[in-house]
Amino acid sequence: DVKVTQSSRYLVKRTGEKVFLECVQDMDHENMFWYRQDPGLGLRLIYFSYDVKMKEKGDIPEGYSVSREKKERFSLILESASTNQTSMYLCASSGAGSESYEQYFGPGTRLTVT
Amino acid sequence: AQSVAQPEDQVNVAEGNPLTVKCTYSVSGNPYLFWYVQYPNRGLQFLLKYITGDNLVKGSYGFEAEFNKSQTSFHLKKPSALVSDSALYFCAVRGLGGRRALTFGSGTRLQVQP
Repeated sequence: DVKVTQSSRYLVKRTGEKVFLECVQDMDHENMFWYRQDPGLGLRLIYFSYDVKMKEKGDIPEGYSVSREKKERFSLILESASTNQTSMYLCASSGAGSESYEQYFGPGTRLTVT
Repeated sequence: AQSVAQPEDQVNVAEGNPLTVKCTYSVSGNPYLFWYVQYPNRGLQFLLKYITGDNLVKGSYGFEAEFNKSQTSFHLKKPSALVSDSALYFCAVRGLGGRRALTFGSGTRLQVQP
């Protein structure tokens, strides 16, 4: 089974802090994704990566950056956390072929910024 | 641009009755369609997908979905609901040749009453 793990289930940070959310997958997947989930808005794509050191902006990249130095690891960085970044953050991965388009999700990190 | 609409925020059904959760999509070209389920405080779990072939797709936990190209719909169905089916359901789409990430709907909460 594909396993996607995220570094924390719950995180509380103060406004202005730099926040790192880490995601690791164990299936040698090429693609990795970061979403945020908010009630009534579904999942919105922040960034994704299709290869090591490669990244593309999603629909809501403002206030976030990402890093992918190794194939299995994809980090989301909040340079200066703000209260409107309080949310559930979900990491996902998928393979490269058309038969692998489904994404596998981690358990999520619920981030609260105070 | 691709998009997904889930017109119902919540669906209520009695245990043992059939259930339908609606989804319509917009995408250029042929769509790849997915359903995911989310239980409280968990990540998303893959239920089923339509890539090509039969319009009726069978997935996990007795769920199925029907692809209707003319109506651009991909409704999720189950012949007999269980209380344990109560969860948040997301429909997602990816277009052929489009960006690698999925576009998700806003989610539908399914409540199955005993």
